[in-house]
Amino acid sequence: GIQVEQSPPDLILQEGANSTLRCNFSDSVNNLQWFHQNPWGQLINLFYIPSGTKQNGRLSATTVATERYSLLYISSSQTTDSGVYFCAVGHGSSNTGKLIFGQGTTLQVKP
Amino acid sequence: NAGVTQTPKFRVLKTGQSMTLLCAQDMNHEYMYWYRQDPGMGLRLIHYSVGEGTTAKGEVPDGYNVSRLKKQNFLLGLESAAPSQTSVYFCASSYELDLPLGTDTQYFGPGTRLTVL
Repeated sequence: GIQVEQSPPDLILQEGANSTLRCNFSDSVNNLQWFHQNPWGQLINLFYIPSGTKQNGRLSATTVATERYSLLYISSSQTTDSGVYFCAVGHGSSNTGKLIFGQGTTLQVKP
Repeated sequence: NAGVTQTPKFRVLKTGQSMTLLCAQDMNHEYMYWYRQDPGMGLRLIHYSVGEGTTAKGEVPDGYNVSRLKKQNFLLGLESAAPSQTSVYFCASSYELDLPLGTDTQYFGPGTRLTVL
């Protein structure tokens, strides 16, 4: 099956710093989403981005489907950005919405 | 609009006991999913449904059953709980029929923390 690898596994930042999280996948995808899991366990969808670039405030994401990777950019990080960031992909000919998750990047933003 | 809700939030079972987790969504989504998350790992898909009355197996379906009798509800059952099923269970939903294809954003419930002793 498709493999999803995220890097780095852990990241510690000082408040105000910028960061880039990477997601590599081993096969073509028809669905790619980025999620943030906050310290209380809630999963929030950040982007639905199977290709192209999107921006939402201090966050932006780019997926280069032909090269099988996606990047999540966090600018001017805040302590509330702490948590685990997951990349999840869908693939195959039928659109069932099924997602395969990566292992996540754990981000800690220090004040 | 409550989004996706899960019942219960916490549960402790003894080995061999059975239970049902309830997921409800009020967004008129066609697709619903059950995932489990183990410590330090990403989410793994247990079962999913692409519409009322349909269910299908995901990555880790063994030991679980599901039912989708109503569009807004997706039930996950454990017939004979085992310690290996200790996990946090998340339900999610996506896909409104009247939106363009490619709008598959998944929305997650708050999770159910299950411990099997």
